[in-house]
Amino acid sequence: SQTIHQWPATLVQPVGSPLSLECTVEGTSNPNLYWYRQAAGRGLQLLFYSVGIGQISSEVPQNLSASRPQDRQFILSSKKLLLSDSGFYLCACHGTGPVDPLHFGNGTRLTVT
Amino acid sequence: RKEVEQDPGPFNVPEGATVAFNCTYSNSASQSFFWYRQDCRKEPKLLMSVYSSGNEDGRFTAQLNRASQYISLLIRDSKLSDSATYLCVVNNPEAGSYQLTFGKGTKLSVIP
Repeated sequence: SQTIHQWPATLVQPVGSPLSLECTVEGTSNPNLYWYRQAAGRGLQLLFYSVGIGQISSEVPQNLSASRPQDRQFILSSKKLLLSDSGFYLCACHGTGPVDPLHFGNGTRLTVT
Repeated sequence: RKEVEQDPGPFNVPEGATVAFNCTYSNSASQSFFWYRQDCRKEPKLLMSVYSSGNEDGRFTAQLNRASQYISLLIRDSKLSDSATYLCVVNNPEAGSYQLTFGKGTKLSVIP
C-alpha cells in the first residue's frame, strides 16, 4: 500500500511570508493527489487536486498554488501568507482506483502570526 | 442544502453503550461512501467503506439508504478508544469520480 510523506509537521510563519509544503508518495505510480485544508473546528476543504505531472485543478480561489513536478511529488505554495491561511494541511492520494478511499499524510499544522 | 451533513454532536456515551451516527448527502448520483475517523490534531483515517447491502467490521456496522440518501454508522460496546470525530464521506460525480466530499464530522466522547 502507498505511504504519504508530508513535511514539516508544524510551521509558524509571519503574515506576508512565503510558504512551501511538500508531499511525496511511495508505493504507487501515477496517483491522483490532493491538498486539503482543515481550519480549526471546520471540515475538510479541497484546495487542489492533480491527476498527473503538471496537471493541477484548483477548487477555491485563494493566494495558494500547487505544483506537481514529478509523478509522486505534490507541492503547495504561497508567495504571501494571510492570517486566514492558518490551518491543518493534508496531502492525500487514492488507492489503486479513483473510487478507492483517500489516504492521508500526517499533515502540516500551519499557524500564520 | 449542504452536500454532506452530519450532526456535529458531541455524543457523550458511557463505555459499553451503543451509539449511532447518521449522515445525509444531497447528490443522488453519488456511488462511493465511506466513514473516516479523525483523532484530535491527527489526519483522518479510513474506518470503513459503506456498501449497498450494509457491512460490518467487528463492533462497527455501516448502512446505506439510497432512497433517503443517508448513511449510518453503528458502534456497539463502545470503548474509550472510540473517542474521536467520525467523518462521513461521499463521492462527487459531477466533479469526476476522483473527488470526495467530507462532512464536518460528529464528535464522540466515550466516558468511563
